[in-house]
Amino acid sequence: AQSVTQLDSQVPVFEEAPVELRCNYSSSVSVYLFWYVQYPNQGLQLLLKYLSGSTLVKGINGFEAEFNKSQTSFHLRKPSVHISDTAEYFCAVSSSGGYQKVTFGIGTKLQVIP
Amino acid sequence: KAGVTQTPRYLIKTRGQQVTLSCSPISGHRSVSWYQQTPGQGLQFLFEYFSETQRNKGNFPGRFSGRQFSNSRSEMNVSTLELGDSALYLCASSPGQGVDTQYFGPGTRLTVL
Repeated sequence: AQSVTQLDSQVPVFEEAPVELRCNYSSSVSVYLFWYVQYPNQGLQLLLKYLSGSTLVKGINGFEAEFNKSQTSFHLRKPSVHISDTAEYFCAVSSSGGYQKVTFGIGTKLQVIP
Repeated sequence: KAGVTQTPRYLIKTRGQQVTLSCSPISGHRSVSWYQQTPGQGLQFLFEYFSETQRNKGNFPGRFSGRQFSNSRSEMNVSTLELGDSALYLCASSPGQGVDTQYFGPGTRLTVL
């Protein structure tokens, strides 16, 4: 079984400040990790993914995440946020196995304050 | 390429009724997954279809069912609607080989009165 824990349900941050959204996962097999963003009244959009290789993954809109196997974490970071980053962010895990069964975290609402 | 489309975008039903939601994947994608999104539970996996076969299933009651057609379009059906079925239903498509990036549609907002 696999699971995802997003430790913060809401994160307020001032514009141009750095932000870290935390994600921990559990799985008994090798995992693939994703971060998605959801803007109001829209579906989810992929920000970045870790499948293998370098543990530092760069995504769209200036976001990056680091895969830490020993701490079973995949935290999302951005050095300087903009108002347009206000959205809900979802961490997700999928186990190796050749088919899609993705487990999502509960989501973290990022509120950027002007 | 056109993105994932879902119809209808909004739906209002009453308890006991049934509903059918539709999802058209990105051209060439053979896998379609369905998720239920609610404020309290987040995104929960319903099922995944690949080449007209249900390949994976989440922990939802039998009232939730789906199917996929030969053109990869998928439908999801919920029978005997309950108030708790009010949610945003999201569909995602992917090529279907290995662990692919999923591309999400805008969702269908179902309200059960």
